[in-house]
Amino acid sequence: GEDVEQSLFLSVREGDSSVINCTYTDSSSTYLYWYKQEPGAGLQLLTYIFSNMDMKQDQRLTVLLNKKDKHLSLRIADTQTGDSAIYFCAEGDTGRRALTFGSGTRLQVQP
Amino acid sequence: NAGVTQTPKFRILKIGQSMTLQCTQDMNHNYMYWYRQDPGMGLKLIYYSVGAGITDKGEVPNGYNVSRSTTEDFPLRLELAAPSQTSVYFCASSSRQVNYEQYFGPGTRLTVT
Repeated sequence: GEDVEQSLFLSVREGDSSVINCTYTDSSSTYLYWYKQEPGAGLQLLTYIFSNMDMKQDQRLTVLLNKKDKHLSLRIADTQTGDSAIYFCAEGDTGRRALTFGSGTRLQVQP
Repeated sequence: NAGVTQTPKFRILKIGQSMTLQCTQDMNHNYMYWYRQDPGMGLKLIYYSVGAGITDKGEVPNGYNVSRSTTEDFPLRLELAAPSQTSVYFCASSSRQVNYEQYFGPGTRLTVT
């Protein structure tokens, strides 16, 4: 079955880069996503990458995809205190178009 | 566009009570989804629909029912509430026209005591 795994916690200092990692199992996934969730709020789509791409950059965000190892990462450059949140990796299946989420990585940014 | 709206925002139910969580989207998306998020966890798919009149189970459908009589609405029904259904419920919609990007509602926080 599908499974998405993430580390639970990451702490960085303001101004440093953050790297959040994710592994997935469904090799047929077409899209892989990163969502951000702030306390008590819904999910905000940060970025996504097609499975036929290796890298995508969007302002401070860089997504790297290693299809061979089924490994996805999200790098946030110049991390700010406003980036403190939970970050979810998700894979999209080609049939239902539904998402399978990881358990989330809590990013704590220290001033 | 209002996007995806959900009502109510919060609800406390007693064990055995029933309720319907409402979800409406105004983007003419054919795909709609219900997810639940338990504390400290990611979202799990309850039910989904690929169009009006068509629904199917996700990973955790037990204790829930859905219907999809229109493109816009996708209500989720809890018939006999149990403490295990205490969770935050998110509705989402998508379509091919937006590359299947899922648009999420703000969520309904449900407590069953």
